[in-house]
Amino acid sequence: DAGVTQTPRHEVAEKGQTIILKCEPVSGHNDLFWYRQTKIQGLELLSYFRSKSLMEDGGAFKDRFKAEMLNSSFSTLKIQPTEPKDSAVYLCASSLGGDTLYFGAGTRLSVL
Amino acid sequence: GDSVTQTEGQVTVSESKSLIINCTYSATSIAYPNLFWYVRYPGEGLQLLLKVITAGQKGSSRGFEATYNKETTSFHLQKASVQESDSAVYYCALSGYNTNTGKLTFGDGTVLTVKP
Repeated sequence: DAGVTQTPRHEVAEKGQTIILKCEPVSGHNDLFWYRQTKIQGLELLSYFRSKSLMEDGGAFKDRFKAEMLNSSFSTLKIQPTEPKDSAVYLCASSLGGDTLYFGAGTRLSVL
Repeated sequence: GDSVTQTEGQVTVSESKSLIINCTYSATSIAYPNLFWYVRYPGEGLQLLLKVITAGQKGSSRGFEATYNKETTSFHLQKASVQESDSAVYYCALSGYNTNTGKLTFGDGTVLTVKP
């Protein structure tokens, strides 16, 4: 079975650019999560979808972060405009509806 | 809010020696959170190592064990004899608010290096 697929693996952006990260969850999983990982803050939840409906959009990240789930097998995370403090690893995860998560390998974003 | 504390950022152990990685938690949103250990091997994504949902019970996987201790609010990860292939980053986590979602609270992670 294919796991969670994230693209690209690495992204470099100039300050002010718009970037879009992509995620394909495990086939058949109902829940999809976007997490951000930094050395200072650790793993933080950005967004959470259940059956394509946005359940939580991570309050502090509402401003410039927008996650969408266009269909049950594809999600995007848009950051607009990017800032240097957005440099982090962005992780996508999916689950069958419980709390056991399957993670992708992540996208490492560097904002210059 | 909920929190998870891993006191050691890095641990180095010689192969075949025993290991303990400490994890304590504070769950204000739910009385009995589910507890997890996730692991990230070099070049790979985070994956579930073990999960325990009942206080007092022990979970085990790949030679690792962790016991859900509600009295001390701890969930330490142990292994009797580590191997070089166990070198990875280990994350303790809990599922608060609603254990039917993947809204997990993670610790900061412990980098384990096993020396040959």
